[in-house]
Amino acid sequence: QKEVEQDPGPLSVPEGAIVSLNCTYSNSAFQYFMWYRQYSRKGPELLMYTYSSGNKEDGRFTAQVDKSSKYISLFIRDSQPSDSATYLCAMSAGSFQKLVFGTGTRLLVSP
Amino acid sequence: EPEVTQTPSHQVTQMGQEVILRCVPISNHLYFYWYRQILGQKVEFLVSFYNNEISEKSEIFDDQFSVERPDGSNFTLKIRSTKLEDSAMYFCAGDEGQGADTQYFGPGTRLTVL
Repeated sequence: QKEVEQDPGPLSVPEGAIVSLNCTYSNSAFQYFMWYRQYSRKGPELLMYTYSSGNKEDGRFTAQVDKSSKYISLFIRDSQPSDSATYLCAMSAGSFQKLVFGTGTRLLVSP
Repeated sequence: EPEVTQTPSHQVTQMGQEVILRCVPISNHLYFYWYRQILGQKVEFLVSFYNNEISEKSEIFDDQFSVERPDGSNFTLKIRSTKLEDSAMYFCAGDEGQGADTQYFGPGTRLTVL
């Protein structure tokens, strides 16, 4: 079983749709959960950070962590064509430790 | 807003040659990392560095790899004898080491080994 699993997509939605992106993981030691956005051949850009279980909202983005199910989600409201990118989930077991990434989900938002 | 910078953006080298990839982390960052991403694959951890020492390294980070922070601002990754399979995007990341544990990534260096 992979440590972090993420559907590679692509996920195609019309502009204005609500997008749901998800990851599952197997390592119960993970405590820190992040979502990064990556445009083609660019570096990952940090979008959201969550410690342990719970929800966090920032503008159009909401991150959810359910440690009991080992499942994390990123919701994007009112999606825009500029949101078209690959979304990477990442997690770590402790402060300043390595990040373990999912494969990334490619999102395409059409006008 | 301060950013992590990396040079060069693209490096082409012959198999067996040495390459040095350079990174300038954000000035108040204390923890530094190198990751790589082979085309079409996931981002993979290589090494972490704190207080002028390697904190952790992956299986990928073998004797052909080394890291250094030579002057307090630059952070380098050296590959001594490149192999075809070293072709990838290499990302430097940093963490300020307090508060939220968040790593900020540079734009990457694309390494092509011929």
